[in-house]
Amino acid sequence: GAGVSQSPRYKVAKRGQDVALRCDPISGHVSLFWYQQALGQGPEFLTYFQNEAQLDKSGLPSDRFFAERPEGSVSTLKIQRTQQEDSAVYLCASSFWGRTTEQYFGPGTRLTVT
Amino acid sequence: RKEVEQDPGPFNVPEGATVAFNCTYSNSASQSFFWYRQDCRKEPKLLMSVYSSGNEDGRFTAQLNRASQYISLLIRDSKLSDSATYLCVVNSEGTYKYIFGTGTRLKVLA
Repeated sequence: GAGVSQSPRYKVAKRGQDVALRCDPISGHVSLFWYQQALGQGPEFLTYFQNEAQLDKSGLPSDRFFAERPEGSVSTLKIQRTQQEDSAVYLCASSFWGRTTEQYFGPGTRLTVT
Repeated sequence: RKEVEQDPGPFNVPEGATVAFNCTYSNSASQSFFWYRQDCRKEPKLLMSVYSSGNEDGRFTAQLNRASQYISLLIRDSKLSDSATYLCVVNSEGTYKYIFGTGTRLKVLA
């Protein structure tokens, strides 16, 4: 079956531009996570959705970062006025339910801010 | 101090060797523990969950030590295909926030 997909796979943005990153989770998965992974580091939690409800956004680094999942399936992570420190791989993961089930990751979007 | 700490390695071991990684966590309220594997420029994939009593899956054994707040991963009879980064992941009761370590890089040499 289809796994988690993300688009675009690569994005180059000039400093100050806005970007939107899309995640299509596995069909039927209730939970959706966004992570930021810098080079040589582990993924850092950004935010969590349970269906359309954003239950935890404690990892969003600034108010320039915004995420939504309006119909409980596809999610978009938006970064406004991108900065060089936003350059990273943005990973989306989904799971069937809850905190103890396996997370399935998408291939990520590699964002480079020049 | 980071919430989840791992030795970044690399651990260079010959084929057939046994290798072990540890991961320490600082939050005593942590309840769920996992090992994920990440190949270069790929997404993380679940290797195994870690249960209180310890658990084994083929050549892989995971242990949890709550008193000392660490989890371990033991790989027996290492294969070339085991070369990857191993990420320790911790989740605390009552939160949806998963904390990943920086990962331990393993290279299995022919």
